[in-house]
Amino acid sequence: DARVTQTPRHKVTEMGQEVTMRCQPILGHNTVFWYRQTMMQGLELLAYFRNRAPLDDSGMPKDRFSAEMPDATLATLKIQPSEPRDSAVYFCASGLVQTNGELFFGEGSRLTVL
Amino acid sequence: DAKTTQPPSMDCAEGRAANLPCNHSTISGNEYVYWYRQIHSQGPQYIIHGLKNNETNEMASLIITEDRKSSTLILPHATLRDTAVYYCIVKRNYGQNFVFGPGTRLSVLP
Repeated sequence: DARVTQTPRHKVTEMGQEVTMRCQPILGHNTVFWYRQTMMQGLELLAYFRNRAPLDDSGMPKDRFSAEMPDATLATLKIQPSEPRDSAVYFCASGLVQTNGELFFGEGSRLTVL
Repeated sequence: DAKTTQPPSMDCAEGRAANLPCNHSTISGNEYVYWYRQIHSQGPQYIIHGLKNNETNEMASLIITEDRKSSTLILPHATLRDTAVYYCIVKRNYGQNFVFGPGTRLSVLP
């Protein structure tokens, strides 16, 4: 089965360190989303790409977060410097905008910043 | 974007039908109703979506009222594995983002 792959699955780091999360969308999908989930805020949209171009990153703290798609098979979400409040599960999802809009989610990257 | 309102939690007995309501009174004519669910510690999973007609697939049925201001997701024979948070989302089919609200936490009880 085709699936969205995220790495790392778990990451523990210290405050101030750089964190990079990676996502391999399903082959052929042209939309990629990054979400963050915490107990307090639920699922929050951070960034949205279509055909590798960022369409909406209004949910992302610009001073420390950056999201890119260097090619169609890789999306990255980088935090520099990381802070304890960034501790969350980060989900990547991909889909095809021209079909029914169904999103396929990865299993998430659980980040803990000490 | 149209917003949705769902009850925060519901219980359902195993083997019985689970009926999860969603209000979307400000839905626009070109906006679809989507349902996703999230089982503990997993990523959200697509269930079903529809515009104005009732829809059914192998997972669930979606009943949308004639005025489209509300809908109900039906799991016909709930199992313990259906315990999850269920999200109702309205959006245009093309474009727009999926905005997840708090959803309904469904507990299927033995």
